[in-house]
Amino acid sequence: QKEVEQNSGPLSVPEGAIASLNCTYSDRGSQSFFWYRQYSGKSPELIMSIYSNGDKEDGRFTAQLNKASQYVSLLIRDSQPSDSATYLCAVFGNNRLAFGKGNQVVVIP
Amino acid sequence: DGGITQSPKYLFRKEGQNVTLSCEQNLNHDAMYWYRQDPGQGLRLIYYSQIVNDFQKGDIAEGYSVSREKKESFPLTVTSAQKNPTAFYLCASSSAGAVYNEQFFGPGTRLTVL
Repeated sequence: QKEVEQNSGPLSVPEGAIASLNCTYSDRGSQSFFWYRQYSGKSPELIMSIYSNGDKEDGRFTAQLNKASQYVSLLIRDSQPSDSATYLCAVFGNNRLAFGKGNQVVVIP
Repeated sequence: DGGITQSPKYLFRKEGQNVTLSCEQNLNHDAMYWYRQDPGQGLRLIYYSQIVNDFQKGDIAEGYSVSREKKESFPLTVTSAQKNPTAFYLCASSSAGAVYNEQFFGPGTRLTVL
């Protein structure tokens, strides 16, 4: 089993809709969970951090963490064309950050 | 401005050559990291350093070397032993010892072997 899995293929959402991204992880001892946004050809940018079970909201972004199910998600509300990017899930455990392969989001005007 | 700088932005290397990628940060972060990203792949950890004059191998250290002589700098050398070095190389830093370990990335160096 891969450490961090993001299984969904490219996600196309209409402008103004909600984009939902999911991520599962294998290490139950993981302590911190992150979502990065990466535009094509650019480096990853940290957009959300979450450390305890439940929801965390920051502007149009909501991260959800369920440690019992080893599951973390990201919701993007009122999606904008500028949200079109690849979103990387990252999980910190064993003294290092493990990344998923990412999910591409395309917001259609 | 505080941040992480990487140079060069693009680098071309002939087979058999060693090349060194620069990473500098002025965030006063203790920990620094090198990752490699291949198309359609997640980031893979090459080396990391939590304190000056100390560093550890990551998941794919073979064919790479690093040094950490100054807190601000963590250069990566891609040696001729690295079989497939063409990739996007990303440097990151964080406050060492922090539980939360938020890592922030530099702009990256795109290495192409000719």
